[in-house]
Amino acid sequence: NAGVTQTPKFQVLKTGQSMTLQCAQDMNHNSMYWYRQDPGMGLRLIYYSASEGTTDKGEVPNGYNVSRLNKREFSLRLESAAPSQTSVYFCASSEPREETQYFGPGTRLLVL
Amino acid sequence: RKEVEQDPGPFNVPEGATVAFNCTYSNSASQSFFWYRQDCRKEPKLLMSVYSSGNEDGRFTAQLNRASQYISLLIRDSKLSDSATYLCVVTPYSGAGSYQLTFGKGTKLSVIP
Repeated sequence: NAGVTQTPKFQVLKTGQSMTLQCAQDMNHNSMYWYRQDPGMGLRLIYYSASEGTTDKGEVPNGYNVSRLNKREFSLRLESAAPSQTSVYFCASSEPREETQYFGPGTRLLVL
Repeated sequence: RKEVEQDPGPFNVPEGATVAFNCTYSNSASQSFFWYRQDCRKEPKLLMSVYSSGNEDGRFTAQLNRASQYISLLIRDSKLSDSATYLCVVTPYSGAGSYQLTFGKGTKLSVIP
């Protein structure tokens, strides 16, 4: 079991460029999440998907879109990257009624 | 007021010491409580859940005081491998079949030889 995998591990973008962060899990979990982690801010929820076919906004959704492609995959898209989106992005998954979330290794994004 | 507040530290302690971390939360509707551990440049991982009656896992003891909205984590006989950032996490059930975790900013622990 790979658990939760994320690609890419690192990315540098110029302001205005777009990109998609990929996340996949092989634990057959129904719920998936995207967080960002900034120094001094802790982890903040961007979007989540309680189950395949549904997505909802979290605490900081502006500037992002998500797609729950299937039960395994949940992608995060930045349409027009801004320096304020420089961060470490973590994907996580869980069962809907289990509180433990399993995190991927993260994507480090730098927007110049 | 921040939803989950923790002392950021760093806590620098010698091997073998006992160290305690505290956390307060503002949402009285919070239902579940956890401590996650995050190593440098790694993802967070669940350390332990926190129950009202208090619970212990080896050298780690977690306590919850719902009346005071306070959570604690005690580490006894600290090891070098305990060096990490400890994240206090609370969650109300969202009602949509999914839990939204609210993370504290974390307390950094460095165990010194």
